[in-house]
Amino acid sequence: GNSVTQMEGPVTLSEEAFLTINCTYTATGYPSLFWYVQYPGEGLQLLLKATKADDKGSNKGFEATYRKETTSFHLEKGSVQVSDSAVYFCALSDRGQGAQKLVFGQGTRLTINP
Amino acid sequence: EPEVTQTPSHQVTQMGQEVILRCVPISNHLYFYWYRQILGQKVEFLVSFYNNEISEKSEIFDDQFSVERPDGSNFTLKIRSTKLEDSAMYFCASSELMNTEAFFGQGTRLTVV
Repeated sequence: GNSVTQMEGPVTLSEEAFLTINCTYTATGYPSLFWYVQYPGEGLQLLLKATKADDKGSNKGFEATYRKETTSFHLEKGSVQVSDSAVYFCALSDRGQGAQKLVFGQGTRLTINP
Repeated sequence: EPEVTQTPSHQVTQMGQEVILRCVPISNHLYFYWYRQILGQKVEFLVSFYNNEISEKSEIFDDQFSVERPDGSNFTLKIRSTKLEDSAMYFCASSELMNTEAFFGQGTRLTVV
């Protein structure tokens, strides 16, 4: 079945460092790909998405490119801030039998130190 | 900004008891979902619901689980007889259409003792 694998956490960086969180997927067909973020005490929020190969999703300085050839959707940010500290989830959509369902990676906890 | 709200934020229940987790989806959304995350594990799909019936359910969603939309606003997940392994964070989500963004609530942490 479809699956998503994220790099192991936790990840700790200093402010203004470059961030990469790796995500690879296994899927039949052509799923949409997502990054969700969960800030402390809050729910999952969609950070960015890409719906087809070579699409780049971007939001709040974060970017990820849908790479079909490497089945990857790595999350990057050029200069992280303390406020980026959160848990990040990579996910793909799986149409299944009807309504869209999401298949998540295990999440990567990111901590940014001042 | 519209949001999905879940109550309670934390529920503690004894093993074998019934528990109902409540969600108020965004008002114009038609598709509703429950996911759960056992501590330290992945967020897992449980069930999707559309037009007052289940669209799809996972293997986790066995006879102990049920969902209901009892009125025009609430969407509930019932666990009939809780087990220790049901302890998890449960997330409700809704989307306007089948292929549009799913908006998640903040989750209900269920602890079965």
